[in-house]
Amino acid sequence: SQTIHQWPATLVQPVGSPLSLECTVEGTSNPNLYWYRQAAGRGLQLLFYSVGIGQISSEVPQNLSASRPQDRQFILSSKKLLLSDSGFYLCAWSVLVSYGGQANTGELFFGEGSRLTVL
Amino acid sequence: QQQVKQSPQSLIVQKGGISIINCAYENTAFDYFPWYQQFPGKGPALLIAIRPDVSEKKEGRFTISFNKSAKQFSLHIMDSQPGDSATYFCAAIPQNTGTASKLTFGTGTRLQVTL
Repeated sequence: SQTIHQWPATLVQPVGSPLSLECTVEGTSNPNLYWYRQAAGRGLQLLFYSVGIGQISSEVPQNLSASRPQDRQFILSSKKLLLSDSGFYLCAWSVLVSYGGQANTGELFFGEGSRLTVL
Repeated sequence: QQQVKQSPQSLIVQKGGISIINCAYENTAFDYFPWYQQFPGKGPALLIAIRPDVSEKKEGRFTISFNKSAKQFSLHIMDSQPGDSATYFCAAIPQNTGTASKLTFGTGTRLQVTL
């Protein structure tokens, strides 16, 4: 079965410090990978997605970057954290599901999340 | 046009009651409408989903009602239980998005089921 691991689970960092959140998926190959951010009391904002190694698409301009050095590894980084980077970060994966003859979307499987507090 | 508007923001229901969460969208290209359930400190998980070719889908106590002409869909939780207390997100995604599942999420509804 497929599993997704995300770490660290909790992180408290000072403003201006670097960030690295890591996500790995097991039990599937060539997954689509995603980073979402969930601010307190708000919805899920897609930050980055990747359809393959080295392929990163950014959804919103921000202080963060993402990389996919291996097929099942997705990393969220920042060189200098801002207070506004605080939030709950979620990694997710999906595979392509064919529906009605169209290449369509699949279910998203989320990790347990990483809570980042920037002080 | 990419937004999905979700209401209410929070909901308190007595045990055994019906919980109803509503979502509305503008983008007529949306083709898949899932609901995700998120417990505190956890990642969301798919609860139930519907395609626009049907008006209702039921799985156990959970039902999605879909009104294509009104561009609205809702989640009904029958016989609500304290274990249903969680945040619920509706979502939508258009067809022909290529290989990535770029879901547009609603802002979430925090459901509390009281004894």
